[in-house]
Amino acid sequence: LAKTTQPISMDSYEGQEVNITCSHNNIATNDYITWYQQFPSQGPRFIIQGYKTKVTNEVASLFIPADRKSSTLSLPRVSLSDTAVYYCLVGDHEDSNYQLIWGAGTKLIIKP
Amino acid sequence: DAGVTQSPTHLIKTRGQHVTLRCSPISGHKSVSWYQQVLGQGPQFIFQYYEKEERGRGNFPDRFSARQFPNYSSELNVNALLLGDSALYLCASSLVWGLEQFFGPGTRLTVL
Repeated sequence: LAKTTQPISMDSYEGQEVNITCSHNNIATNDYITWYQQFPSQGPRFIIQGYKTKVTNEVASLFIPADRKSSTLSLPRVSLSDTAVYYCLVGDHEDSNYQLIWGAGTKLIIKP
Repeated sequence: DAGVTQSPTHLIKTRGQHVTLRCSPISGHKSVSWYQQVLGQGPQFIFQYYEKEERGRGNFPDRFSARQFPNYSSELNVNALLLGDSALYLCASSLVWGLEQFFGPGTRLTVL
């Protein structure tokens, strides 16, 4: 079964760019790699999703190398409101069973 | 437009009892997934349904079961509750499997 590894926590300052990397092996070849943000007492919220290379939307960029064994979420010019837990999510097929596998989460703290 | 709704919001049960949690997806969404989230940890995948068929199952005991109805709403059932089943149970819906998931507020289950 695929495994994911993310840093437990990261600190940064307002206005900086933050990059969070998730390592994931044995992921499903046809599935997207997805990142979510979660604030306390709320459900996760979708940030961005990609299959390979680079994807950019209005809030983030996602970099995925050709081997798809990792992905890096990039948050440009963070603000205090970006303080949250960030999760990577990948899919895997094992013994014909499909599973969605979440990373353990990276607690990002933004300082003024 | 209504988001994903879950009921009940809170539930207290005793060991050995049975519980049914309900989820209504966003209108038009055909995929529903269930997750268990213990405080301080990432979500753990329980089930995914698409077009009323089970598409994936996480590493949970057979005490956990689910189903999706013709209107795409879903139920998660847990039998013979254990203290360790105490957690936030999240439901998420998406247009089709693999795409952006929208999460409900969750059901907080406490097993005494």
